[in-house]
Amino acid sequence: NAGVTQTPKFQVLKTGQSMTLQCAQDMNHEYMSWYRQDQGMGLRLIHYSVGAGITDQGEVPNGYNVSRSTTEDFPLRLLSAAPSQTSVYFCASSYFGEAAFFGQGTRLTVV
Amino acid sequence: QQQVKQSPQSLIVQKGGISIINCAYENTAFDYFPWYQQFPGKGPALLIAIRPDVSEKKEGRFTISFNKSAKQFSLHIMDSQPGDSATYFCAASTETSGSRLTFGEGTQLTVNP
Repeated sequence: NAGVTQTPKFQVLKTGQSMTLQCAQDMNHEYMSWYRQDQGMGLRLIHYSVGAGITDQGEVPNGYNVSRSTTEDFPLRLLSAAPSQTSVYFCASSYFGEAAFFGQGTRLTVV
Repeated sequence: QQQVKQSPQSLIVQKGGISIINCAYENTAFDYFPWYQQFPGKGPALLIAIRPDVSEKKEGRFTISFNKSAKQFSLHIMDSQPGDSATYFCAASTETSGSRLTFGEGTQLTVNP
């Protein structure tokens, strides 16, 4: 049982480049979400999904897109990377009303 | 708007001591309060969680105390060990929000041997 798997673990982008952070879970969880973690600010919600085909914005959605075509996958797309998007990104999943399980994170640096 | 405030930002405790981390929330719709533990380079991992129908929950050396009227909850780590050194986050969510957690800013705990 792999849980929540995020790829890549590390990534360096140049300003203006685009990329997709991958997230997959094998627990058949309905809910999936993306957070970013910046020093001293805890984790902030970017986007979330309550099921395949349904997504919504979180606290800091600007500059990011998501889609959820299957229950298992929830990719996060950076459309045009900016230095302000340098952060550690975490994907999480859960059953309805239960605790969230987190992936190991993707450390992104935008230069 | 920070809806969950956590203190202290950092905490140093001697081995065998009690570590106490406090959180306060604003949204009265919150009804699920988990604590997460995070080691460097790892994702947050659920430590213990409580719902507002109880005032205290204990799991081993970890206890959550919950005060609904004050909108506060706290994590107590008894007999703190060096292996407990990590960053701790409180969080809150509503019944229908699933993974949609609002996090506190985090507390970096150091337990000295």
